[in-house]
Amino acid sequence: NAGVTQTPKFQVLKTGQSMTLQCAQDMNHEYMSWYRQDPGMGLRLIHYSVGAGITDQGEVPNGYNVSRSTTEDFPLRLLSAAPSQTSVYFCASCAMYSGANVLTFGAGSRLTVL
Amino acid sequence: AQSVTQLGSHVSVSEGALVLLRCNYSSSVPPYLFWYVQYPNQGLQLLLKYTSAATLVKGINGFEAEFKKSETSFHLTKPSAHMSDAAEYFCAVSGSFRGSTLGRLYFGRGTQLTVWP
Repeated sequence: NAGVTQTPKFQVLKTGQSMTLQCAQDMNHEYMSWYRQDPGMGLRLIHYSVGAGITDQGEVPNGYNVSRSTTEDFPLRLLSAAPSQTSVYFCASCAMYSGANVLTFGAGSRLTVL
Repeated sequence: AQSVTQLGSHVSVSEGALVLLRCNYSSSVPPYLFWYVQYPNQGLQLLLKYTSAATLVKGINGFEAEFKKSETSFHLTKPSAHMSDAAEYFCAVSGSFRGSTLGRLYFGRGTQLTVWP
């Protein structure tokens, strides 16, 4: 059971380039989300999804797009990377039953934008 | 709206000493509260959670936390620190989505725990 798998683990981009961070889970979790982690800021929610075809914005959605075509996958797209998007990105998922809210996190993707 | 405040971005203790990491929350709904731990270059792992059952919650690795509604606190403690406890700790409170508390967590800024030999 792999849990939440994120790729790539490391990426360096130039300003203006685009890329997609991949996230896949094999636990049949309906809820998936993306956070970014910056020093001294904790984790901030970027986008989340409660099922295939349903996505919504979190606290810091600007500059990021998501889609959810399957239960398993929830990619995060940076359309035109900016240095302010240098961060560590975490994908997390959980099952949709009341009271759970226990997120399973991926190992993270460290992105540097030059 | 939900939010979390972790008092102290860095805490240092000697091995064998008491660990106390402070967390205060605000929530407009009955909260679910969590502590997660992050070891270097890894994702977050759940330490423990409060979901309105017992106010004293026991977690993994000897950690526990007490929910105090009157103080809006959920402090994390461990009686005796071990070198392997050195990590960053995050307190989180559940948000809501269309009336459900599912999944959406608001995190504090984290507390880095250093354990001295």
